[in-house]
This record gives sequence, structure tokens and C-alpha cells, in this order.
Amino acid sequence: GAVVSQHPSRVICKSGTSVKIECRSLDFQATTMFWYRQFPKQSLMLMATSNEGSKATYEQGVEKDKFLINHASLTLSTLTVTSAHPEDSSFYICSARGRGLAEETQYFGPGTRLLVL
Amino acid sequence: AQKVTQAQTEISVVEKEDVTLDCVYETRDTTYYLFWYKQPPSGELVFLIRRNSFDEQNEISGRYSWNFQKSTSSFNFTITASQVVDSAVYFCAGGYQKVTFGTGTKLQVIP
Repeated sequence: GAVVSQHPSRVICKSGTSVKIECRSLDFQATTMFWYRQFPKQSLMLMATSNEGSKATYEQGVEKDKFLINHASLTLSTLTVTSAHPEDSSFYICSARGRGLAEETQYFGPGTRLLVL
Repeated sequence: AQKVTQAQTEISVVEKEDVTLDCVYETRDTTYYLFWYKQPPSGELVFLIRRNSFDEQNEISGRYSWNFQKSTSSFNFTITASQVVDSAVYFCAGGYQKVTFGTGTKLQVIP
């Protein structure tokens, strides 16, 4: 099946710093990538949808200036949490959908655990 | 708008018992996909199945089976002869362009 990777798998940072998370589709071209956030013992909440080469579409309540999403190529999307605060600590998961094997199905990355001190 | 309801928050079963996880998907769309994912304690999401809204055939894969009934908006998941390794949180999800997740059902299989 299609493979999606995320880097880093875990990150600890100080409050006020920015953190970048990468999401890559390894064996297919991801025309659309999705970013989700999952707080402990809760469900996955969609944060934003990004299509390659265009601006991301953010869900209601998600600050686009705080969560910067870039989908510059068909295999890479990045999420930057700017000026992170402890309440941003969460599990961030990306998924990708694209042509070929992955079409019509979202394939999820392994997730990135962010801890803001 | 779409809504995914997983009414069972936590289920505990003894190993080798069968267990059914319920899911109700409500939408006004006629075309959509339904999914089940497994999330073990490690956190990684494991894809289990995808069904489209036009296919109401039941599906079986090993110990797993799924029953989709469009008339009741249900997409239930049954694990036969459960094993300890099945312990995880299971998410039902649905949508077409945008996928919405249910709140998950935590399954604990006791040896």
C-alpha cells in the first residue's frame, strides 16, 4: 500500500518557538494532503486541507497564521506551528490522497507528538 | 455536514470472544466513503477498510468483517475470536472530499 512518512516523530520545544513538521508521500503523488490534530483520548480533528500548489483551506476555528501549511510539491507538505504554546501540545497527523494507488483513499502518516514546555 | 457516531466509548471482552463495534454515519451526500482505522497505543493509524456508498455487500477479511446498511446509516465492524493484539482504539470515519472521524471506541481484550 501507499506510504506516508512524517518527520519528526516527536518534538519538544520551548514556548514561543516555531516547529516545522514534514509530511511526505513516498511512493505516490499526493495531490491533496490533510492535517489533523488529536488531543489525548480524543478523536482526530481536521485542521486544514492543502492541494499542491495552492493555499490551504483551514477548518473553522483553526488559526491560519499560527498553523502555516505549505504544499509545494506533489510529495511534500509542511505544517509549521508558529510561536508554539503549551496548549498546542498534541499529536499531529497528516494524510495524503493522490493519483494511482492512493486515489480516493487517504493514507495516514505515523504522526508527530509535539510537546511545548 | 456529516456526522459520525460511535456510541460505544469503551468495550472490554475476554480473549476469543466476538465483538462488534458500532458506527452510524449521517450525511445528505449520496456519494461518500466509509472507513475504519485502528490506533494502537503507539498512536499510528492503521487503515482497515474503505467502502463506497454504493456497495452494501458485507466484507470479510480474516477475523474482521464489516456490515454496511445504508437504510440505517450503519457501518459496523465485527472482530471474531478476539485477540489481545486487537486491543486499540478503533475509529470509524466517513466522507468524500473531506473525511470526518468518530470519537473512537477503545477496545480492551483481556487474556
